[in-house]
Amino acid sequence: DTEVTQTPKHLVMGMTNKKSLKCEQHMGHRAMYWYKQKAKKPPELMFVYSYEKLSINESVPSRFSPECPNSSLLNLHLHALQPEDSALYLCASSQVSGARNGYTFGSGTRLTVV
Amino acid sequence: AQRVTQPEKLLSVFKGAPVELKCNYSYSGSPELFWYVQYSRQRLQLLLRHISRESIKGFTADLNKGETSFHLKKPFAQEEDSAMYYCALSGVWGAQKLVFGQGTRLTINP
Repeated sequence: DTEVTQTPKHLVMGMTNKKSLKCEQHMGHRAMYWYKQKAKKPPELMFVYSYEKLSINESVPSRFSPECPNSSLLNLHLHALQPEDSALYLCASSQVSGARNGYTFGSGTRLTVV
Repeated sequence: AQRVTQPEKLLSVFKGAPVELKCNYSYSGSPELFWYVQYSRQRLQLLLRHISRESIKGFTADLNKGETSFHLKKPFAQEEDSAMYYCALSGVWGAQKLVFGQGTRLTINP
């Protein structure tokens, strides 16, 4: 299995809702990432997990809460989002001992906040 | 600080013509450099890594440390090469931040 799988593919949520995005990989990668991509822009890093521990938080608002329950799963919990949070949310994974083989990206969850 | 610059937002060439997508970077240590491609309605895919010095789909990229560049080249463009191309940079060791350039949208005209 050489893929990163993200669910759901599409999500529409209200500003008072709580939802979660899920990401799964079975490549044995111990580094996992959340990126946010707005239309016609490059992906921007949100969080990095290394060996299931949060190692980088790019000053993301607390309404985004990441969780890494085990080495294969990465979640992003969403609460009280704003319409400007609407974007494509990408999960990625890589080897921790050097990312020389590159980062593998999922197909993303397209989030719309209404 | 890590920074990747892709000076061309849009690039349009005719089928069969050579293609060069420019990428310049700024990094204080030894970087890992990548080219990623995003075809319409598809996921972001790794195209090339500088460390592997390989050719994928006819594309090559050479790291020039003196000019801090990692330009992507293909001698004969094909229509299926039309896509968004991102140059990206990360550090060498550990779980690192992958920083992207702004991207170049390549259009191959028939």
